[in-house]
Amino acid sequence: AQSVTQPDIHITVSEGASLELRCNYSYGATPYLFWYVQSPGQGLQLLLKYFSGDTLVQGIKGFEAEFKRSQSSFNLRKPSVHWSDAAEYFCAVGGKTGANNLFFGTGTRLTVIP
Amino acid sequence: EAGVAQSPRYKIIEKRQSVAFWCNPISGHATLYWYQQILGQGPKLLIQFQNNGVVDDSQLPKDRFSAERLKGVDSTLKIQPAKLEDSAVYLCASSTGQVQETQYFGPGTRLLVL
Repeated sequence: AQSVTQPDIHITVSEGASLELRCNYSYGATPYLFWYVQSPGQGLQLLLKYFSGDTLVQGIKGFEAEFKRSQSSFNLRKPSVHWSDAAEYFCAVGGKTGANNLFFGTGTRLTVIP
Repeated sequence: EAGVAQSPRYKIIEKRQSVAFWCNPISGHATLYWYQQILGQGPKLLIQFQNNGVVDDSQLPKDRFSAERLKGVDSTLKIQPAKLEDSAVYLCASSTGQVQETQYFGPGTRLLVL
């Protein structure tokens, strides 16, 4: 069965600092992996996704993520955080039919301090 | 391009009452999803439609929840009767229906059951 673990419930970083949000997944085959961001009162917006190929994936808003099969991880990174990045971040793994049936982690709330 | 529309945005009801949520997906999107997001958790898929047929409703509590997508466009999710534990944000998403497609989420309906 698919599952996703986001070990950090809440992270606080200073504006301009680098960011890494952790995500570990459990899946029997090659996974389809996603990062979504949710701002207060908003729906989820896709930041980036990995299906195959290059293990370093570039997304919107300056985010990137690296797929590491040996560690079952798909960590999200950004070199310099902006105050507008404060939000909830969700990692998700696609089900057996591909991008359908997304299984989400519990999320990491990012606070950015000036 | 218009996004996924949902209404109402907020709803407060008492337990044992009924409630209905409406979703209008992105034009041309064949696949529609309903997710339940309980506070502090990631979204959980309730039901997935492909056009007007149900693809997956394994996580839908069928004794109280029902959903339909009669003409393959708009969808309605109903809860009858509501329980306290149904308090959550109900998210609707849509996609083209092709493999590896991106799911686009609406802003959600926040339900509070008293």
